[in-house]
Amino acid sequence: RKEVEQDPGPFNVPEGATVAFNCTYSNSASQSFFWYRQDCRKEPKLLMSVYSSGNEDGRFTAQLNRASQYISLLIRDSKLSDSATYLCVVNNLNQAGTALIFGKGTTLSVSS
Amino acid sequence: DVKVTQSSRYLVKRTGEKVFLECVQDMDHENMFWYRQDPGLGLRLIYFSYDVKMKEKGDIPEGYSVSREKKERFSLILESASTNQTSMYLCASRGLITEAFFGQGTRLTVV
Repeated sequence: RKEVEQDPGPFNVPEGATVAFNCTYSNSASQSFFWYRQDCRKEPKLLMSVYSSGNEDGRFTAQLNRASQYISLLIRDSKLSDSATYLCVVNNLNQAGTALIFGKGTTLSVSS
Repeated sequence: DVKVTQSSRYLVKRTGEKVFLECVQDMDHENMFWYRQDPGLGLRLIYFSYDVKMKEKGDIPEGYSVSREKKERFSLILESASTNQTSMYLCASRGLITEAFFGQGTRLTVV
């Protein structure tokens, strides 16, 4: 089983749609979780951290289920500018150092 | 403003050449990382460093080495470049509890 798995998509949705991305991780000792966004030919940038209680930032909501080792990202009222690849990221503190492990990403395309 | 700078955006090298990719961060971060990103494979960790002169292998270290002589600088070395090392290389740095910040990437082509 891969360490971090995501549905690669692509997800093609119209403007205004609500879309959800899922991610599972294999290491039960994983400590921190993030969603990154990567635009075409650009470097990844942090979208939001994921907290145990769930957290929201405007149209974006992240959820964590430790028992199921599952992370989600919900985007409401999709905008054209949301088109990007969304990367699920897990931090495993039981390795030497503190390596961030990335999923392969889920591609979102929002159309008008 | 936070900054991670990679020395080149685009590089073309010949098979067998020794290649140096440089990364510098100005945030006094302890941790630095080198990833490569390929279509369909996502970001894969090559090496990381959690302190000066300290390094750990990631998932795909074969054919690569690294150097961290100063806290702000982390170098990736391709000892003898091969065509299967053609890729996008991304450097990142991170403090103990902060998010990771990425450089703009180096697109390396080995011919």
